[in-house]
Amino acid sequence: DTGVSQDPRHKITKRGQNVTFRCDPISEHNRLYWYRQTLGQGPEFLTYFQNEAQLEKSRLLSDRFSAERPKGSFSTLEIQRTEQGDSAMYLCASSLSGRPSGMSEQFFGPGTRLTVL
Amino acid sequence: GNSVTQMEGPVTLSEEAFLTINCTYTATGYPSLFWYVQYPGEGLQLLLKATKADDKGSNKGFEATYRKETTSFHLEKGSVQVSDSAVYFCALSERGGGFKTIFGAGTRLFVKA
Repeated sequence: DTGVSQDPRHKITKRGQNVTFRCDPISEHNRLYWYRQTLGQGPEFLTYFQNEAQLEKSRLLSDRFSAERPKGSFSTLEIQRTEQGDSAMYLCASSLSGRPSGMSEQFFGPGTRLTVL
Repeated sequence: GNSVTQMEGPVTLSEEAFLTINCTYTATGYPSLFWYVQYPGEGLQLLLKATKADDKGSNKGFEATYRKETTSFHLEKGSVQVSDSAVYFCALSERGGGFKTIFGAGTRLFVKA
């Protein structure tokens, strides 16, 4: 399977606990994006990487959230001291930049559904 | 900032009916436009895209035309099937924003047999 994978698919945690999600992009893709989707809404951009550099962070990404892509391949998203409002689907996407048009399709993973009790 | 507005759902149609889901956008530059679909229990899938004005994206009988003059990208299908029941998201992506995707809120479509 050469698609974007995410782990775990589901996570249930208690308020105040830390959680970490992993995303494995399509292997040759140099851009990686994180989005958050709450029930009945479209995905909202959180942050993105080009190779290992984190180039933009949304104001939605509070200081309890941190993302890394240490070797320019897989990425992790950590949420510290989780709150009930963090309950959502966390989506990862990857793409290949540098195409002649400058634009490349983003491929989305299946998401990690987080429930904070 | 950039944004996408799409018609609220749910939209309920009978099989073989004509579908239109309206989408308008606001962007500072020249975005690429997309329709994504999310079937029940599944992840987001790209349905179609258009990268410049007057382009028509099409896939699986769905079509949308990039209209710069009206900043619109309405999704249409001539004859829907029960299997088209899903949530449809209009979206844009722009070079200046690192190509991050801005999504609309989604429109849920129910197709009855």
